[in-house]
Amino acid sequence: ETGVTQSPTHLIKTRGQQVTLRCSSQSGHNTVSWYQQALGQGPQFIFQYYREEENGRGNFPPRFSGLQFPNYSSELNVNALELDDSALYLCASSLWGGTLNTEAFFGQGTRLTVV
Amino acid sequence: GEDVEQSLFLSVREGDSSVINCTYTDSSSTYLYWYKQEPGAGLQLLTYIFSNMDMKQDQRLTVLLNKKDKHLSLRIADTQTGDSAIYFCAEKRGFQKLVFGTGTRLLVSP
Repeated sequence: ETGVTQSPTHLIKTRGQQVTLRCSSQSGHNTVSWYQQALGQGPQFIFQYYREEENGRGNFPPRFSGLQFPNYSSELNVNALELDDSALYLCASSLWGGTLNTEAFFGQGTRLTVV
Repeated sequence: GEDVEQSLFLSVREGDSSVINCTYTDSSSTYLYWYKQEPGAGLQLLTYIFSNMDMKQDQRLTVLLNKKDKHLSLRIADTQTGDSAIYFCAEKRGFQKLVFGTGTRLLVSP
């Protein structure tokens, strides 16, 4: 158990719809990153949030957006869903800043299926 | 994971040693990681190595790093059936972005 929880665990959406995925970070962590893992592939970095601001972004279109809240939990929003958005979405939390930095610990993921 | 490469599949017998290999491209990476993923699950951090180290041992796990060749390996001693999973190497770039390989599926037979 990493202490990182994601909801929901599974989700089915229709092409064109919007989806919100949620992540609660591990206690004491201030940074949340989101990754997309397509079937048979390694995880791909979507973006990272640090202190409620986007702190880096991978090669994903603007219809992928996010939020981080004061309690460091986070949301990933995807608009205008496409079939290729079907994947396992992983959230990772870590502590970053100063001399104390931790590794990224992952949640169990949300399996999104777009039909 | 286009810049981090791993072999796709490894099959070993229970009790043997397993060696999973990885090559990466960014020589400025500070940390390199090994994660384990079981079917339908998230990623479990197994171990990591700082870029100024050559080797790190953690119980049954040994990580070797060859910075000159940008080659990373994970050796699992006395492999058990419970070790069957997909293993990902990852390099940390910049702030805290991880770049993952495509994963190596380890199958351990009794």
